[in-house]
Amino acid sequence: KAGVTQTPRYLIKTRGQQVTLSCSPISGHRSVSWYQQTPGQGLQFLFEYFSETQRNKGNFPGRFSGRQFSNSRSEMNVSTLELGDSALYLCASSFGPGTYEQYFGPGTRLTVT
Amino acid sequence: GENVEQHPSTLSVQEGDSAVIKCTYSDSASNYFPWYKQELGKRPQLIIDIRSNVGEKKDQRIAVTLNKTAKHFSLHITETQPEDSAVYFCAASKGDNYGQNFVFGPGTRLSVLP
Repeated sequence: KAGVTQTPRYLIKTRGQQVTLSCSPISGHRSVSWYQQTPGQGLQFLFEYFSETQRNKGNFPGRFSGRQFSNSRSEMNVSTLELGDSALYLCASSFGPGTYEQYFGPGTRLTVT
Repeated sequence: GENVEQHPSTLSVQEGDSAVIKCTYSDSASNYFPWYKQELGKRPQLIIDIRSNVGEKKDQRIAVTLNKTAKHFSLHITETQPEDSAVYFCAASKGDNYGQNFVFGPGTRLSVLP
């Protein structure tokens, strides 16, 4: 079974631009969560989607948004990029809500200049 | 909201020795506790997990224990090997039929010295 995939793997953007990241979950998994990983802040939860609905949201500004499609694929968007948005963005998928194992994708390395 | 603390932040052990990493959580409603291993430049990898209705779980050289009363859980690695060197993250999740919200600890950098 294929693992979680993310595209693109690397991205360089300029301050003020916007970016869209994509995540395809493991086949059969319907829940997708997004995380920001930085050396200083560790793994910070952004949001969780299930059945095309945002179920939980972390403490990030409204510039960070996401959505989930009917095939469970998810996208994350960051508008008006700031230097501090440079990070590794990881998505993770699980079977569904509850106490299911969550598996991570390889991440998208975003650099904002 | 949930807060997860993790200790120590760095840990060095000799090959063959045991390593223990401890995490504490604040929300008594949390019911799922996974541990992830992240090697340099790679994605976090789930290595073991425990649910709130279980006190201990073991998988070969790794084990996890959970104390719900004290709200802490620990990762135990026995007979450490150089390939165990990585950053280890604990997490606490409050999962229900609506969603699943993971909060991660800050990580422990484990170095196994040959």
